[in-house]
Amino acid sequence: SAVISQKPSRDICQRGTSLTIQCQVDSQVTMMFWYRQQPGQSLTLIATANQGSEATYESGFVIDKFPISRPNLTFSTLTVSNMSPEDSSIYLCSVDGDGTSYEQYFGPGTRLTVT
Amino acid sequence: GQQVMQIPQYQHVQEGEDFTTYCNSSTTLSNIQWYKQRPGGHPVFLIQLVKSGEVKKQKRLTFQFGEAKKNSSLHITATQTTDVGTYFCAGPFMGSNYQLIWGAGTKLIIKP
Repeated sequence: SAVISQKPSRDICQRGTSLTIQCQVDSQVTMMFWYRQQPGQSLTLIATANQGSEATYESGFVIDKFPISRPNLTFSTLTVSNMSPEDSSIYLCSVDGDGTSYEQYFGPGTRLTVT
Repeated sequence: GQQVMQIPQYQHVQEGEDFTTYCNSSTTLSNIQWYKQRPGGHPVFLIQLVKSGEVKKQKRLTFQFGEAKKNSSLHITATQTTDVGTYFCAGPFMGSNYQLIWGAGTKLIIKP
């Protein structure tokens, strides 16, 4: 399975600012996903990022708030823009498996606190 | 909208007792996946079920996919402290194979 790293691992930010989270994979992958997870809660898919195309956002998430880049097959970024305390959460990136099934592999997550 | 419901939210067990979590989808699923998340960790893929009525085992873990492909369960026999964590089921959004909708998770807690 792929090895995934995320930067930063955690951050404390002031409201109104933006934070860019990086996700790096040790092998080329087709699909990368960004999730949000409130502590103690389930995962909510924000968007799917495919290389060479615009990210696809799920209901309730918009590009202006969560712009995503996918410049190549091993890297993606998620920006949380104009942050408010409600954006405090854990942000996780994941990648699809080896193509024989649909499982996902996750990075360690970025814990964001907005004050 | 499409929903994946998972119960119970928590289960407290004595070490050595069994644990079961149940997952129910509002729609028929092409597959269902199970993940484990340890405290402070990230979700880790356990297994995928694809066929109607499928049963798969991993050591003390038994996974079932219902005949109608709308429900699933995970049963752990003789729990150990290493089993502690939250177990999530997840199924694909309608019309997708990759985008997942997640159950609320069941937290397994071992009583001291």
